[in-house]
Amino acid sequence: EPEVTQTPSHQVTQMGQEVILRCVPISNHLYFYWYRQILGQKVEFLVSFYNNEISEKSEIFDDQFSVERPDGSNFTLKIRSTKLEDSAMYFCASRETATTNEKLFFGSGTQLSVL
Amino acid sequence: AQSVTQLGSHVSVSEGALVLLRCNYSSSVPPYLFWYVQYPNQGLQLLLKYTSAATLVKGINGFEAEFKKSETSFHLTKPSAHMSDAAEYFCAVSDYGGSQGNLIFGKGTKLSVKP
Repeated sequence: EPEVTQTPSHQVTQMGQEVILRCVPISNHLYFYWYRQILGQKVEFLVSFYNNEISEKSEIFDDQFSVERPDGSNFTLKIRSTKLEDSAMYFCASRETATTNEKLFFGSGTQLSVL
Repeated sequence: AQSVTQLGSHVSVSEGALVLLRCNYSSSVPPYLFWYVQYPNQGLQLLLKYTSAATLVKGINGFEAEFKKSETSFHLTKPSAHMSDAAEYFCAVSDYGGSQGNLIFGKGTKLSVKP
């Protein structure tokens, strides 16, 4: 089965630093998502992206966050100035269409630790 | 607003015993419901989904779930647990006809299987 690939698997950064989390969605997919899971809490929706623009974002996705599809294959999440509370597992996901009952394909996640 | 509640953050069963993972949802519109599984160091994988067709949904690895509108439940079951079922299980809900189809997840239930 095709896979969504995320790099790195672990990222450690100092508070206030910028981080970029990288994802390679499945090649024929058009809709891309970021979710995060703080330890012991729910998996939370951050943002969805289609046609080179944000389609929808949650309250968590404030001005410190941005997403980009810099080329035909990568999809990145940038946190400009990390805070301790940004420590979480970040999941990238993609799907071929926006149909709500179509399954999302998830990557294995990037564990971000902010010190 | 939609929400998902998973009762029990940790469930432990013996190999061969029944697995029952509980999920209750709240939605003002007909929902799509999903169960995802996360094995250690892997991404979320779709186990099964309910999309308003049959109320008893069969998924991969012998799992099934029954949609009960009167109870607003979508519990996941498997008649006989296997050691390889040890993982974290997430229930999720999505809007019927939602524009972007982002998922609202529960907190997850970690399943342990004892020999």
